[in-house]
Amino acid sequence: EIVMTQSPATLSVSPGERATLSCRASQSVSSNLAWYQQKPGQAPRLLIYGASTRATGIPARFSGSGSGTDFTLTISSLQSEDFAVYYCLQYSNWPRTFGPGAKVEI
Amino acid sequence: QVQLQESGPGLVKPSETLSLTCAFSGGSIRSSYWSWVRQPPGKGLEWIGYIYHGGSTSYNPSLQSRVTISVDTSKNQFSLKLSSVTAADTAVYYCAATGYYSWFDPWGQGILVTVSS
Repeated sequence: EIVMTQSPATLSVSPGERATLSCRASQSVSSNLAWYQQKPGQAPRLLIYGASTRATGIPARFSGSGSGTDFTLTISSLQSEDFAVYYCLQYSNWPRTFGPGAKVEI
Repeated sequence: QVQLQESGPGLVKPSETLSLTCAFSGGSIRSSYWSWVRQPPGKGLEWIGYIYHGGSTSYNPSLQSRVTISVDTSKNQFSLKLSSVTAADTAVYYCAATGYYSWFDPWGQGILVTVSS
């Protein structure tokens, strides 16, 4: 099983600032990495797949990068609606595994 | 547009079997793999297993001995059974579409299942 880790666990930022979240895989997943946003009481929302491709309807302030074992999600200028928990998912192997999540808070 | 909706009991007694159904609309159930993912309160996401329309399945090794996923293509729905539940199985259970080589999307809204006597 591929183990996913995320850092930091919590990121405190102000609206308008840049947020950078990291995700690391215990072995290479190539570019088979997705990012999700989850708000309280809601299902996860797909933001990024293929490590860097934005899903339909996702604003350009969200960007993803990386390959192999190290990945980054960047939110260029945080909006109020971006404060949430973010998860990475590797889909290189079964079982699919998620990172533990990273909370972006005000 | 594909939509998924979970249904089932919100409360299950310890040692009993949790049973949930996911209804699918807006496309062909033959077009994807169909997964269950769960999330204990305040915790992260765990993939439970998937089924393909032909009936082939794959389960998370951590739950494999207790999980059964089935599909009813005539009703456009698939189901989850988790046996011998304990309080540790208390979670929001989501159904989601996936490809064999891809991510989960879309997701159902989720259903909270509490294991308690």
